[in-house]
Amino acid sequence: DQQVKQNSPSLSVQEGRISILNCDYTNSMFDYFLWYKKYPAEGPTFLISISSIKDKNEDGRFTVFLNKSAKHLSLHIVPSQPGDSAVYFCAASAPTSYDKVIFGPGTSLSVIP
Amino acid sequence: EAEVAQSPRYKITEKSQAVAFWCDPISGHATLYWYRQILGQGPELLVQFQDESVVDDSQLPKDRFSAERLKGVDSTLKIQPAELGDSAMYLCASSSRGRGGQRNEQFFGPGTRLTVL
Repeated sequence: DQQVKQNSPSLSVQEGRISILNCDYTNSMFDYFLWYKKYPAEGPTFLISISSIKDKNEDGRFTVFLNKSAKHLSLHIVPSQPGDSAVYFCAASAPTSYDKVIFGPGTSLSVIP
Repeated sequence: EAEVAQSPRYKITEKSQAVAFWCDPISGHATLYWYRQILGQGPELLVQFQDESVVDDSQLPKDRFSAERLKGVDSTLKIQPAELGDSAMYLCASSSRGRGGQRNEQFFGPGTRLTVL
């Protein structure tokens, strides 16, 4: 049973427009959420995170929104740039002793110039 | 800038052979992770170390996979014998999060692409 879901395998957006990537989770114990970006032939790189005590976290062009009641989070990229084209993974962890992180299947974003 | 090192980057082997992957985490990172990523899926945790101790290996196929981090620094993941279904990207990551401390993100290495023929 997938605990972290990203129901859109792919997304295409025009350069300069907003990209919205969605993520749903099922485990109510998750209290820390992260987004990673992955280019081909490279390992994932950390993008932004949010704790469950917040509903929004912003870092430059990237904003993550958390809706705990809906068990849903989203990553907004504004404005989108061609260099943002990558696979984006949503990840979540619960406050266990060693913070195991569960990754979603990823969404492939293509930003069209 | 400190990075997680992995080798080899690519490995092609025949089924029933043994393979080994090496990872050197960022200096000072107590926690080390091995993930397997199949194309179209997210990374799946195989084993997590805190210093030299295994703290989670619930998803590690222990009949054929083994992992060690003898001195609490670098780590080796071994598969013996390799099977066709083991073809995947094997990622190593490290973090500075310890027991009950502030959470920090994981830093990933470039991965080892394994192809089993």
